[in-house]
Amino acid sequence: AQSVTQLDSQVPVFEEAPVELRCNYSSSVSVYLFWYVQYPNQGLQLLLKYLSGSTLVKGINGFEAEFNKSQTSFHLRKPSVHISDTAEYFCAAKHQGAQKLVFGQGTRLTINP
Amino acid sequence: DTGVSQNPRHKITKRGQNVTFRCDPISEHNRLYWYRQTLGQGPEFLTYFQNEAQLEKSRLLSDRFSAERPKGSFSTLEIQRTEQGDSAMYLCASSHGTGPRYEQYFGPGTRLTVT
Repeated sequence: AQSVTQLDSQVPVFEEAPVELRCNYSSSVSVYLFWYVQYPNQGLQLLLKYLSGSTLVKGINGFEAEFNKSQTSFHLRKPSVHISDTAEYFCAAKHQGAQKLVFGQGTRLTINP
Repeated sequence: DTGVSQNPRHKITKRGQNVTFRCDPISEHNRLYWYRQTLGQGPEFLTYFQNEAQLEKSRLLSDRFSAERPKGSFSTLEIQRTEQGDSAMYLCASSHGTGPRYEQYFGPGTRLTVT
């Protein structure tokens, strides 16, 4: 069975500091990987996705993620965060040929001034 | 393109009552998905429609849950005889296709509280 694990439920960082949100997946077949952001009282918004090709994926709002097949990881990074990045971040996976997204538990990113 | 809309945004009901939620997908999106998100967890897949056909249902979708998508446009999710464990955020998403390049666009959700 496919599963997605986000290793940190909460990550507090100071403004303008770098951040990494960790995600590991387990799957015996090819998967596609996604990071979504959820701002308070809003729906999920796609930040970036890995389908194939280059393992470093760049997304919106200055975020990027690196697919590491040997470590089954897809960690999200940003070199310098802003107050506006305060939100819940979800890693998700999708089997090749499947319709549904399988989500991790989420990581709450809190930016302190 | 006004995005995926969901109504109501909040619903408070007493245990045992029936509730119905509505989702209006982005126009021309023929795929529609329902997910449930409980507090502190990520969304969990419930069901999926391609046009008006319901093609996949999760084991989470008990007999008390029913979803429809008449005419392949809006969708409704009904919960009968609600239980306190049904309290959650119900998210709807739509996409233009099923391949991974077709992003699922999410609505703001309907928050259900069962008292």
